[in-house]
Amino acid sequence: DAGVIQSPRHEVTEMGQEVTLRCKPISGHNSLFWYRQTMMRGLELLIYFNNNVPIDDSGMPEDRFSAKMPNASFSTLKIQPSEPRDSAVYFCASTWTGARGRPNEKLFFGSGTQLSVL
Amino acid sequence: KQEVTQIPAALSVPEGENLVLNCSFTDSAIYNLQWFRQDPGKGLTSLLLIQSSQREQTSGRLNASLDKSSGRSTLYIAASQPGDSATYLCAVRLTFGNEKLTFGTGTRLTIIP
Repeated sequence: DAGVIQSPRHEVTEMGQEVTLRCKPISGHNSLFWYRQTMMRGLELLIYFNNNVPIDDSGMPEDRFSAKMPNASFSTLKIQPSEPRDSAVYFCASTWTGARGRPNEKLFFGSGTQLSVL
Repeated sequence: KQEVTQIPAALSVPEGENLVLNCSFTDSAIYNLQWFRQDPGKGLTSLLLIQSSQREQTSGRLNASLDKSSGRSTLYIAASQPGDSATYLCAVRLTFGNEKLTFGTGTRLTIIP
């Protein structure tokens, strides 16, 4: 398996522009997570989906952020309008969650999208 | 609110030494704990996962222990190598029904050849 695939790897945009980040989880995984990493705040969970349904979006900073998962193999994170303080590395991660005590619940991360908003 | 702390923030040791990385968490009612490795400019790689009912997990030169009652976990690296240089993060998951992980801020490890 190719692992979690994110695109683009780097995005440079101007303040006010719309930004769309994309993620393809590992085939067979049923949970998908969007994280943001900054030097100041570390890794923060933005939102996660289970079986394509958003479960917890309490980490989404503002209404400018939205995420969708139209099917089991694709998710997007959109920022509109973008601001300089949104500059960060955005990670997508996936795993399989199901029966209690299942041993292999490791979380697999993509390589991230480095976003710079000027 | 669960808080996860990793001290020290950075650590340098000579190649070949054994070392221990620390992770502490404030809410001991966790479901599991994972240790991750992050290389510069890369995503995170899960190294070890310990369920709340377990005391330790081993993979090669890595051994992770968990003491729920004291809110602590350690990652032991034996016979360190330059390739072990990376940032190591621990993350805890609170409950079975909630998949959310709370991450520590990490320890940046440098192995000196």
